[in-house]
Amino acid sequence: GDQVEQSPSALSLHEGTGSALRCNFTTTMRAVQWFRKNSRGSLINLFYLASGTKENGRLKSAFDSKERYSTLHIRDAQLEDSGTYFCAAEDFNTGNYKYVFGAGTRLKVIA
Amino acid sequence: EAAVTQSPRSKVAVTGGKVTLSCHQTNNHDYMYWYRQDTGHGLRLIHYSYVADSTEKGDIPDGYKASRPSQENFSLILELASLSQTAVYFCASSGGSAETLYFGSGTRLTVL
Repeated sequence: GDQVEQSPSALSLHEGTGSALRCNFTTTMRAVQWFRKNSRGSLINLFYLASGTKENGRLKSAFDSKERYSTLHIRDAQLEDSGTYFCAAEDFNTGNYKYVFGAGTRLKVIA
Repeated sequence: EAAVTQSPRSKVAVTGGKVTLSCHQTNNHDYMYWYRQDTGHGLRLIHYSYVADSTEKGDIPDGYKASRPSQENFSLILELASLSQTAVYFCASSGGSAETLYFGSGTRLTVL
């Protein structure tokens, strides 16, 4: 939605390289989640952050509520990392625990 | 492991027909959500619920109804399906604020 701007919209990476995805928010968000939609169409939870950074294997995510952004870093990309990545942010102001999604980043990892 | 199950996995419906999408969760979560995803777009919230027998409108509720007969079950109803409702529909549950969203596998709906 308009509250979440996700970039880039598409990305190609060679195996073994890395890059960063970013979500900018137009308002203060309470928390952010990152998902990957795999080839079967399932949404896989990657991270949930209320603040700070988290790391899991080759993935690392950061969330700065005050500066209104979140990032997802991928290093040493592998073919199985291909898919569409979404960030989803919980609006601090709604009070109804709703998440607003970015439009997604289509990642293609090539050999 | 949290579990959200959607049915059917895919469906073809005719314009003007009634469609019901079902979602069942075994997470003991209070919150359940229905989202739709269109190609090239993020997920948009249709309806959600934070307690049985009560539903709330999301950001794009027009043309959809929802039903939460129990904590575990949440249905999305298209009384008069239209071509524009062709999309992939995702159900999710969460424990509320500061809680992770858990998604079902999605339902691909095609309206002809």
